[in-house]
Amino acid sequence: AQTVTQSQPEMSVQEAETVTLSCTYDTSESNYYLFWYKQPPSRQMILVIRQEAYKQQNATENRFSVNFQKAAKSFSLKISDSQLGDTAMYFCASRMAQGAQKLVFGQGTRLTINP
Amino acid sequence: SAVISQKPSRDICQRGTSLTIQCQVDSQVTMMFWYRQQPGQSLTLIATANQGSEATYESGFVIDKFPISRPNLTFSTLTVSNMSPEDSSIYLCSVERVPGELFFGEGSRLTVL
Repeated sequence: AQTVTQSQPEMSVQEAETVTLSCTYDTSESNYYLFWYKQPPSRQMILVIRQEAYKQQNATENRFSVNFQKAAKSFSLKISDSQLGDTAMYFCASRMAQGAQKLVFGQGTRLTINP
Repeated sequence: SAVISQKPSRDICQRGTSLTIQCQVDSQVTMMFWYRQQPGQSLTLIATANQGSEATYESGFVIDKFPISRPNLTFSTLTVSNMSPEDSSIYLCSVERVPGELFFGEGSRLTVL
């Protein structure tokens, strides 16, 4: 079974700072996907970034990047030059590459960007 | 990306009644997923709906409580039956357009009194 753990319930930083959200996971699969989703107060889940486990290179999307440590089963999200619009709940999630396609989500981290 | 419309956006219901949530996708998809997000909690998968077959339910969720329809490749409904206050949650529909990427609707916020 897959499990995803986010150990930081809340974080708060000043605008323009860099912030890192932590995520660890457990799976017996060799190939899988990892994701970070953002849920602003409007509550729609938005995909931030995606990582395929077989790729060693860390995924990057503009100000968002991940630090994927496969051996440690760690998948942290770094947000650079944080903006007020980054304020949201952030969920880490995993999905097997084959078979059942459901996402397993972590508990979430509430990130607040202060002006 | 995918455009996913859910109705209703929110509703307040009396215990013992049932509510049907609709999910419309802007193009054909094989599988549609229904998630529940209880207040202050993460998302939990309720069931996977394939067109033309019975939905597959996750542990802890049963068809009598959460019947699902999938009449075609762009539409699905989730019914929350015989509601109790514990069913107060956000219910989200999602689809996988690109392998490994789920797109979500805006969710339906249900409050049961």
